[in-house]
Amino acid sequence: EIVMTQSPATLSLSPGERATLSCRASQSVSNSLAWYQKKPGQAPRLLFYGASVRATGIPVRFSGSGSGTDFTLTISTLQSEDFAVYYCQQYKEWPLTFGRGTKVEIK
Amino acid sequence: EVQVAESGGGLFQPGGSLRVSCAASGFTVSSNCMGWVRQAPGKGLEWVSVIYDNGQTYYGNSVKGRFTISRDNFKNTLYLQMNSLRVDDTAMYYCATIPLAGTEYFQHWGPGTLVTVSS
Repeated sequence: EIVMTQSPATLSLSPGERATLSCRASQSVSNSLAWYQKKPGQAPRLLFYGASVRATGIPVRFSGSGSGTDFTLTISTLQSEDFAVYYCQQYKEWPLTFGRGTKVEIK
Repeated sequence: EVQVAESGGGLFQPGGSLRVSCAASGFTVSSNCMGWVRQAPGKGLEWVSVIYDNGQTYYGNSVKGRFTISRDNFKNTLYLQMNSLRVDDTAMYYCATIPLAGTEYFQHWGPGTLVTVSS
């Protein structure tokens, strides 16, 4: 199975700062990569699919990039509502696999 | 508006069975791909199962042979039959829509239903 590795595990930042999250696949997934935001007590929220296609309603301060094995989620200017856990997921091959997540916390 | 809502969770014994449901509105379950994802307490997201619009099904390794995904076209509802329950099946179970076969990312999610397996 394709292993998705996210780094760092935790990112401590202040509102207004830039967040850069990494997701690496153990083999190429082309651009079959999605990003989700997860807050406690809430359902996950789709942010990006196709590595860089913003889902409906996602603010432009969020951007996704990469292809093959290396992907990046960037939040240009952190807002208070952006502090959450972010997961990547590949859908290139079965079984579908998620990374372990990156927690973006308030510094 | 596309909406899904899970139900059927609760406390169950190891070795037991249950069926969780996912009621859909704003779209037709039978004409769409859908899936289940779970999150154990303090853990990350784990894919469980997917059903295509043509009825083809897929399962994660940890549930293969124990769980069965299905749907009721008249009730417009997705199901997950869970047998031979284990303590490590304890999780919040989410259903979600998938836009198209071959693009299995999860688009619209329900609020989840909590399944606890404990003696």
